[in-house]
Amino acid sequence: GAGVSQSPSNKVTEKGKDVELRCDPISGHTALYWYRQSLGQGLEFLIYFQGNSAPDKSGLPSDRFSAERTGGSVSTLTIQRTQQEDSAVYLCASSFRGGPEAFFGQGTRLTVV
Amino acid sequence: GQQVMQIPQYQHVQEGEDFTTYCNSSTTLSNIQWYKQRPGGHPVFLIQLVKSGEVKKQKRLTFQFGEAKKNSSLHITATQTTDVGTYFCAGRDNNQGGKLIFGQGTELSVKP
Repeated sequence: GAGVSQSPSNKVTEKGKDVELRCDPISGHTALYWYRQSLGQGLEFLIYFQGNSAPDKSGLPSDRFSAERTGGSVSTLTIQRTQQEDSAVYLCASSFRGGPEAFFGQGTRLTVV
Repeated sequence: GQQVMQIPQYQHVQEGEDFTTYCNSSTTLSNIQWYKQRPGGHPVFLIQLVKSGEVKKQKRLTFQFGEAKKNSSLHITATQTTDVGTYFCAGRDNNQGGKLIFGQGTELSVKP
């Protein structure tokens, strides 16, 4: 595609349910990032994939959060047993390895009720 | 781990006034990037600085990278209402696999 695509754009879920957020990066981009942005706040780093290297998971806030990237392309961020504090916009970005610019998707707005 | 601090958190200016946001890293950076996020939008890349002491300009925007490669600034001359948004710096440390760590951002509002 022309840009980074994220789905769904909005997700409302009940507390305790699991959710999956999807990111389709730009074709050929080897680096993929997930960030979380709460209302009016900055970008909280969650996880970073770079090619075939082991992902940097140092930003995941708890073991309820996990992410995978299949075939070096599509990535899925999974949140288990969602809590209200998980409500935020989840942003995905991709870039070429060493390339300066990270391209962001439009984000998934997650609301846990 | 690597931390990137950005100040101020908010800045309200009158149209035509200047604006500066500052970024400091706890570690030496390989490079630093700046992004702009319009209200309701997603961050969009503005520029990357790589060299120690580097200064780059984009029209009314001036970006600087410190000599020690641990700090940076973005200065906007004569702000316009179209400058409204949140400006983020993002540091990349190639010793940590090249991940991008963002500052907290500076939200700029411009009063016409």
